[in-house]
Amino acid sequence: AQSVAQPEDQVNVAEGNPLTVKCTYSVSGNPYLFWYVQYPNRGLQFLLKYITGDNLVKGSYGFEAEFNKSQTSFHLKKPSALVSDSALYFCAVRDSKDNYGQNFVFGPGTRLSVLP
Amino acid sequence: ETGVTQTPRHLVMGMTNKKSLKCEQHLGHNAMYWYKQSAKKPLELMFVYNFKEQTENNSVPSRFSPECPNSSHLFLHLHTLQPEDSALYLCASSQDERVMEEQYFGPGTRLTVT
Repeated sequence: AQSVAQPEDQVNVAEGNPLTVKCTYSVSGNPYLFWYVQYPNRGLQFLLKYITGDNLVKGSYGFEAEFNKSQTSFHLKKPSALVSDSALYFCAVRDSKDNYGQNFVFGPGTRLSVLP
Repeated sequence: ETGVTQTPRHLVMGMTNKKSLKCEQHLGHNAMYWYKQSAKKPLELMFVYNFKEQTENNSVPSRFSPECPNSSHLFLHLHTLQPEDSALYLCASSQDERVMEEQYFGPGTRLTVT
């Protein structure tokens, strides 16, 4: 069974500084990896995904993520953080060996606070 | 927001009440999902529908009853709930159920069971 870990419950960063939100995963096949963001009182919003190809994936709002197969990681990054990026971030994984939607596993979430 | 709407946004119900949550997607998707989001717990997948057919029921208690009359609408019927069922209930949709497809979420219904 696949699993995903987000080792940090909380990440604090100053506005204008680069940010990283960490995610590691475990699958038996090849991973399909996703990042979502959740603002207060809202549903999850899709940011980006890695299926295959270039290890650096670019997504919405200036976010990008780097797939690292040897380290089984898919960290979310942004070169310059904004106060409006403050939210809850979820990493999710699916296994290429699963044909259908069951076993879509979400991490516990990391709360990002960008300080002005 | 994302093309997935949910009503009501907030619901307070007693343990003996019967209520329903509604979800509608305007994205032309074929798969729809119900999730439960509780504080301090990972997101829990409850039900999956693909082309109106239920394909997944993750050991959800029978007091939760889903209904999918067509690919655009999804309901969650609630009866005799427990206080521990209080949570944010999220609906999502995707193009279909293939594993590489991302999901689009509604804003959720905040349910409080008294």
